[in-house]
Amino acid sequence: RKEVEQDPGPFNVPEGATVAFNCTYSNSASQSFFWYRQDCRKEPKLLMSVYSSGNEDGRFTAQLNRASQYISLLIRDSKLSDSATYLCVVKGGGATNKLIFGTGTLLAVQP
Amino acid sequence: DAGVTQSPTHLIKTRGQQVTLRCSPKSGHDTVSWYQQALGQGPQFIFQYYEEEERQRGNFPDRFSGHQFPNYSSELNVNALLLGDSALYLCASSLESRHISPGNSPLHFGNGTRLTVT
Repeated sequence: RKEVEQDPGPFNVPEGATVAFNCTYSNSASQSFFWYRQDCRKEPKLLMSVYSSGNEDGRFTAQLNRASQYISLLIRDSKLSDSATYLCVVKGGGATNKLIFGTGTLLAVQP
Repeated sequence: DAGVTQSPTHLIKTRGQQVTLRCSPKSGHDTVSWYQQALGQGPQFIFQYYEEEERQRGNFPDRFSGHQFPNYSSELNVNALLLGDSALYLCASSLESRHISPGNSPLHFGNGTRLTVT
């Protein structure tokens, strides 16, 4: 079983749609959770951290369920510029900064 | 304020050769991590360097080795290249020495080096 698993995608949605990405992780000792965005042939960039209480940043909402070891990202009112690969990321247990990435889900927002 | 810089941006090698990739961390950062991202996959952790020592290592063979210099820059070396080593190699830096909780410093990624092995 992979340490971080995501919806395989791709997701093709029209502008203005709401889209949700899901992710599960296997290590119950994981402490920190993130969503990264990666544009084609570019480096990953931090989109947002994910907190147990849930957090929102504009059109983006992230949720964490520690009991189910499940993370989600909701994008409302999709824009063409949201087209990218969204990576679910978990920081492994321990004192180091090792990040464990899911395979990513490709989002294509259509005009 | 310079971000993370990597060189070269692209590289083509043949099987069996050796390659060295370079990374300069973001100004003020002291820790460098290396990741390998194969096509269609998420980045995979190779190793991390702090205070010129390898602090943690992922599931990569000994053909993958690295080094960190006193100025915090780092190199990734891969020996006896295989076709399967073709990937985007990402360097990420962070500042660990001033954090109360090690491992909680945000990572900043460089643009990566795209290695093609033929």
